[in-house]
Amino acid sequence: ETGVTQSPTHLIKTRGQQVTLRCSSQSGHNTVSWYQQALGQGPQFIFQYYREEENGRGNFPPRFSGLQFPNYSSELNVNALELDDSALYLCASSFQTGGGETQYFGPGTRLLVL
Amino acid sequence: QKEVEQNSGPLSVPEGAIASLNCTYSDRGSQSFFWYRQYSGKSPELIMFIYSNGDKEDGRFTAQFNKASQYVSLLIRDSQPSDSATYLCAVNKGTGNQFYFGTGTSLTVIP
Repeated sequence: ETGVTQSPTHLIKTRGQQVTLRCSSQSGHNTVSWYQQALGQGPQFIFQYYREEENGRGNFPPRFSGLQFPNYSSELNVNALELDDSALYLCASSFQTGGGETQYFGPGTRLLVL
Repeated sequence: QKEVEQNSGPLSVPEGAIASLNCTYSDRGSQSFFWYRQYSGKSPELIMFIYSNGDKEDGRFTAQFNKASQYVSLLIRDSQPSDSATYLCAVNKGTGNQFYFGTGTSLTVIP
């Protein structure tokens, strides 16, 4: 167990709806990264939060947004859901010192968009 | 060109054999490399990381990094059926904390 938790574990939404996914980082970690993993693919970087600020973003549209709270937990929000948003959403926590720090994954949230 | 390339497999080895998994990366500035194991329906689990040229051993696992050839590999000695999973290679390019993942190699260890 990594100590990283995510909620909910599964979610079903319909196209056009909005969803919020939550992540609690491992104790002592100050950085949370979010990834999207489609079936049969590797995780794709969405964005990262470090000390409540966005610290890098992958090739995802603005309808993917996030937050990090003072306790370093984080939320991923997706607006105007599309069918292709169906995937496993992974949160990874790390302690950032300068780059390349090991990231530990939570169990993921499986999102199905109908 | 993809940042990280892996042979998707499937790779099958008999129990007790050595499984060899390979990964190539495109950015010569990449500085750190990670191997994760992912069981079906589960999230990735860290196996090893390697930052410098050469080999790093941890139990039955050995990670190898060859900077000149831009590849990293993972060797699993004395493979067990419980090693059957998808193995993901991840690269950090050193400019930020984004990890680039390959598509993973599916490994099956046959009893």
